[in-house]
Amino acid sequence: DVKVTQSSRYLVKRTGEKVFLECVQDMDHENMFWYRQDPGLGLRLIYFSYDVKMKEKGDIPEGYSVSREKKERFSLILESASTNQTSMYLCASRWTGGGNQPQHFGDGTRLSIL
Amino acid sequence: AQTVTQSQPEMSVQEAETVTLSCTYDTSESDYYLFWYKQPPSRQMILVIRQEAYKQQNATENRFSVNFQKAAKSFSLKISDSQLGDAAMYFCAYRSGQGAQKLVFGQGTRLTINP
Repeated sequence: DVKVTQSSRYLVKRTGEKVFLECVQDMDHENMFWYRQDPGLGLRLIYFSYDVKMKEKGDIPEGYSVSREKKERFSLILESASTNQTSMYLCASRWTGGGNQPQHFGDGTRLSIL
Repeated sequence: AQTVTQSQPEMSVQEAETVTLSCTYDTSESDYYLFWYKQPPSRQMILVIRQEAYKQQNATENRFSVNFQKAAKSFSLKISDSQLGDAAMYFCAYRSGQGAQKLVFGQGTRLTINP
């Protein structure tokens, strides 16, 4: 089974802090994704990466950056955390193969910015 | 841009009965994939079922089946013989057959199972 591990289930940070959310997958997947989940809005894509050192902006990239130095690890960075970034963050990975290949998700990180 | 709409924020069903969750999408593409994901409370999101747009036959996975109406751009999920473990948020998602690998999600439907 694919395992996608997010470093923290719950995180509390202060406004203005630089915040790192880490995600590791164990299946050698090329594609990795960061989503933000808010009630009534579903999941919205922040950034994704289709290979090491490659990244593309999703639908809501403002205030975020990402890093992918190794294939198995994809980090989301909040450069200067703000209260409107309080949310659930989900990481996912996917094999590039067949078009119907699903994304596999981590458990999520519930981030609170005070 | 593609959009996915789930018009039912909450649904409830009696245990052992059947429930249908609605999903519509908007796209100008002919090649795409549709998915239903399940997110139990405080647990990982997992794939329930998937459908390729080029397939006319509706996908089925045990008690879960879809009604895929391509012309109407509708992709509903039917859960038969509902069980307590089916209680979760359900998300409908769209993926283009071209270019980017990203998923576009609907708003989600919270399903409650009444014993």
